[in-house]
Amino acid sequence: GAVVSQHPSWVICKSGTSVKIECRSLDFQATTMFWYRQFPKQSLMLMATSNEGSKATYEQGVEKDKFLINHASLTLSTLTVTSAHPEDSSFYICSAINSGRAVNEQFFGPGTRLTVL
Amino acid sequence: AQSVSQHNHHVILSEAASLELGCNYSYGGTVNLFWYVQYPGQHLQLLLKYFSGDPLVKGIKGFEAEFIKSKFSFNLRKPSVQWSDTAEYFCAVSRKAAGNKLTFGGGTRVLVKP
Repeated sequence: GAVVSQHPSWVICKSGTSVKIECRSLDFQATTMFWYRQFPKQSLMLMATSNEGSKATYEQGVEKDKFLINHASLTLSTLTVTSAHPEDSSFYICSAINSGRAVNEQFFGPGTRLTVL
Repeated sequence: AQSVSQHNHHVILSEAASLELGCNYSYGGTVNLFWYVQYPGQHLQLLLKYFSGDPLVKGIKGFEAEFIKSKFSFNLRKPSVQWSDTAEYFCAVSRKAAGNKLTFGGGTRVLVKP
């Protein structure tokens, strides 16, 4: 149990285009999901908290109009990188908290590697 | 602001050596503590976690960690490492009062020489 998937696992796009990344909790419901970014040889940095049915909460310095988050169901959150540029190239990782459990442990997806040319 | 510090950026050791990775956090309230491992090319995996109770926590693959509240520390240990323990290790802290957001330490790259 507690499996989180991400799609795609790897994407290359041209500068100026938009890319959508999906995060799914496969065997549990998640009212709260998180999106992280990990640059090469660096730690994970929280970008935003995705809440089902409401607006995402963004961390300081993260542009909400550039990184659009939609958490339309209890098992799916999407991150859309709009007008991507090479500096957006990174490893994007999501996590989800099982709503049905008292313990608020985050389960991580395998990540999506984005390369913007 | 909440911060998490991992003292060693890189650790190189031989098989069968003992490993200890330091982790300190800055927040003084009730926290949840985690150690994650990221093997080369793989995603983050939970090694162990502390929420409450016995401050000595045993995790998977022979790892353990000790929560010392007075020192704001949660150090990771393994008595005898294997080559397969080569990975990057991340300490992380969360608080329910802060929406369970995880703050990660900078990570420690561990290389175990065969």
